[in-house]
Amino acid sequence: GAGVSQSPSNKVTEKGKDVELRCDPISGHTALYWYRQSLGQGLEFLIYFQGNSAPDKSGLPSDRFSAERTGGSVSTLTIQRTQQEDSAVYLCASRPRDRLRTGANVLTFGAGSRLTVL
Amino acid sequence: AQRVTQPEKLLSVFKGAPVELKCNYSYSGSPELFWYVQYSRQRLQLLLRHISRESIKGFTADLNKGETSFHLKKPFAQEEDSAMYYCALSGRETSGSRLTFGEGTQLTVNP
Repeated sequence: GAGVSQSPSNKVTEKGKDVELRCDPISGHTALYWYRQSLGQGLEFLIYFQGNSAPDKSGLPSDRFSAERTGGSVSTLTIQRTQQEDSAVYLCASRPRDRLRTGANVLTFGAGSRLTVL
Repeated sequence: AQRVTQPEKLLSVFKGAPVELKCNYSYSGSPELFWYVQYSRQRLQLLLRHISRESIKGFTADLNKGETSFHLKKPFAQEEDSAMYYCALSGRETSGSRLTFGEGTQLTVNP
């Protein structure tokens, strides 16, 4: 598509439930990122996928968080047994390959999925 | 490890006044620095990057490796500059790496 698409745009859930957030990156973009945006916390890195390489999961805050990227395109971020502190906007971003050649580590962001855990 | 610090969470100036949003970083290698902006009800988007050495919407930012800073400046602020600004850093040595963001500065330009 023309941009990075995320769904749902808004999700309200009860504490303890599982949620799935979806990201559809720009076609041809090999790198995909998930960030969490919380008030006062800035943008917190969660996970990064690059092509067929093993993902960088070092930002996932707990084992309740997981993400996968199927076929090198769509990604799903899953939060199990949600807690109130998981409430935030979850942003997905993608970028094209050849970062080192062009020096263009420029991310295109989606509109985000706002998660509210009651 | 890479770290980005934006010491001001909130910054308020009057229209026509100069504005400077501070950004300091910590990184042992050769960094790439960026400024991203998020206007109200819009997506986060790139404003400028140090490699390009360009001025966007009147904003400039110079990478100062001695002071490990990448402050964003504009000589005459406009009301439409009101937004959340994030400074970001990535390392240039690795073939793929995360982009680390600061906590952001909410800029308000008053009429």
